[in-house]
Amino acid sequence: QVQLQESGPGLVKPSETLSLTCTVSGGSISNYYWSWIRQPPGKGLEFLGYIYYTGATNYSPPLTGRATISVDTSKNQFSLKLSSVTAADTAVYYCARVGYCEGGSCYRPFDSWGQGTLVTVSS
Amino acid sequence: EVLLTQSPGTLSLSPGERATLSCRASQSVISNYLAWYQQKPGQAPRLLISGASSRATGIPDRFSGSGSGTDFTLTISRLEPEDFAVYFCQQYGSSLAFGGGTKVELK
Repeated sequence: QVQLQESGPGLVKPSETLSLTCTVSGGSISNYYWSWIRQPPGKGLEFLGYIYYTGATNYSPPLTGRATISVDTSKNQFSLKLSSVTAADTAVYYCARVGYCEGGSCYRPFDSWGQGTLVTVSS
Repeated sequence: EVLLTQSPGTLSLSPGERATLSCRASQSVISNYLAWYQQKPGQAPRLLISGASSRATGIPDRFSGSGSGTDFTLTISRLEPEDFAVYFCQQYGSSLAFGGGTKVELK
């Protein structure tokens, strides 16, 4: 059974870049789409974007220009970088697997998730 | 933009009781692309139901999903101790949206 694990700093200063990595174990990163989703404290879940194992990406419009998702198939990992962060970017960040995405959306549910990692933006 | 509204916000029940959770969409959900997830503190969310009514692999049959169009329901027929958690719905397909969640707590 595939497992996902997020890793990265839990504290980021305002205006700096948030960097997270998701390590996929128990299965190959190939032939799937891989997503980032976040949940600010007390708020709902927000889809941030996805990457296909080939490197094709798509981002949620509010994040376009600030978010970069990349993949390293040799390490079975994919990553999120979010630049110019503010307190509004404080959230639990989840990585998740999805079977198919196209354009700005995904046409399958998120069938495997990481447990999430809290990132706080504060000086 | 599709909005998903879940109700109630909190459901207080005892083990063995039936839980009925609602998810209402602001627009019709095309192809019944509606999923339900279970979320426990510190754990990865778990996919329960996709396509509004299809149980994911390994999900017990006490969990069932129903509905179409704009109104969807997740039913847990007899609550087990491990079922006390937060449940959220999600639309996928032409757009992505998540509901705010329903907490099923021990009465």
